[in-house]
Amino acid sequence: KAGVTQTPRYLIKTRGQQVTLSCSPISGHRSVSWYQQTPGQGLQFLFEYFSETQRNKGNFPGRFSGRQFSNSRSEMNVSTLELGDSALYLCASSLASSGTSSYEQYFGPGTRLTVT
Amino acid sequence: AQSVTQPDIHITVSEGASLELRCNYSYGATPYLFWYVQSPGQGLQLLLKYFSGDTLVQGIKGFEAEFKRSQSSFNLRKPSVHWSDAAEYFCAFNTNAGKSTFGDGTTLTVKP
Repeated sequence: KAGVTQTPRYLIKTRGQQVTLSCSPISGHRSVSWYQQTPGQGLQFLFEYFSETQRNKGNFPGRFSGRQFSNSRSEMNVSTLELGDSALYLCASSLASSGTSSYEQYFGPGTRLTVT
Repeated sequence: AQSVTQPDIHITVSEGASLELRCNYSYGATPYLFWYVQSPGQGLQLLLKYFSGDTLVQGIKGFEAEFKRSQSSFNLRKPSVHWSDAAEYFCAFNTNAGKSTFGDGTTLTVKP
């Protein structure tokens, strides 16, 4: 079974621009979560989508948004990019059925975003 | 507040030596606990997980972890480290499906 895929793998943007990152979960997984990883702040939870609805949200400004499609693929958008948005953005999927499998997350390779 | 603490930022061990990475959590009950490994420029790979039951859990790549409720700990161990184990290791807990809380990570260096 294919793992979580993220595109693009690397991205360079300029301050003020916006960016869209994409994540395809493992087949059959219905939950997709996004995390930001930086050397200073570590791994921080952005938001989680399940069945096209945002189910959980972290403490990030409204410039960070996401959505999920009917095939469970998810996109994350960052508007008005700032230098501090430079990070590795990781997507994780989980089965999200009842029971413990809903808590088990599988991560993609990440998108390295550099804002100049 | 709910949190995960990994007290060791960096650990160096010799190849073939044993390894223990520490993890403590702060939560009102027993959360679901995980260890992940991340190689440079890569995503996180799940090593092992603890939900309930036997407090010693086995994972991939020869790793194991022991849950100790009295100490709120979930330490990762490996009897004999290989050079390929050099990476960053993250402890995490999950109490809300889809939202994990991570420690700051421990970087493991393996000396030849």
